[in-house]
Amino acid sequence: GQQVMQIPQYQHVQEGEDFTTYCNSSTTLSNIQWYKQRPGGHPVFLIQLVKSGEVKKQKRLTFQFGEAKKNSSLHITATQTTDVGTYFCAAPYTGANSKLTFGKGITLSVRP
Amino acid sequence: DSGVTQTPKHLITATGQRVTLRCSPRSGDLSVYWYQQSLDQGLQFLIQYYNGEERAKGNILERFSAQQFPDLHSELNLSSLELGDSALYFCASSVQGALDTQYFGPGTRLTVL
Repeated sequence: GQQVMQIPQYQHVQEGEDFTTYCNSSTTLSNIQWYKQRPGGHPVFLIQLVKSGEVKKQKRLTFQFGEAKKNSSLHITATQTTDVGTYFCAAPYTGANSKLTFGKGITLSVRP
Repeated sequence: DSGVTQTPKHLITATGQRVTLRCSPRSGDLSVYWYQQSLDQGLQFLIQYYNGEERAKGNILERFSAQQFPDLHSELNLSSLELGDSALYFCASSVQGALDTQYFGPGTRLTVL
């Protein structure tokens, strides 16, 4: 079925290092959303990208939507321990059974 | 605080039992979604209701059912519980439908013994 792929599922970085993760779809997306789930918490909406090539920044986080609107990236500059958690991308797939489809997420751990 | 409330926070029950999870969406949101999150399974979409009617279905077992009431709160009923049903169950709400941002509640942790 329609899905967004996030690989790998886990990544470990040293505090201060940069981190980049990707989200890929085989079909063109109308928009892509990113969510963050802290350990023991619930998913929290971070950002939505709509336009081809769109780039949005939130402090040390940079989100980009691919030119073909089939992939997206999340880049964290100089990771901090507060960045730990699972980052999910999600995309709406329209049609008879329209729903927001979440990737499996990438769990980031940061070594202090 | 997302504005979405879920009760109870924790639920411990035995195999074969039936439980009901409750969700109140953000004020003004018409859509409610239910998700199951097991270890290493990510967020599995179960079902969506929009303004009282079922809108979309995901990987929801026949033993599970849901409804959305006129005041827009929703309940997820899980019956004939099995050990494998132990998971976090999240409710989310959005203004309209699948293109919108979803706001998640704190979840209900279900443990089936």
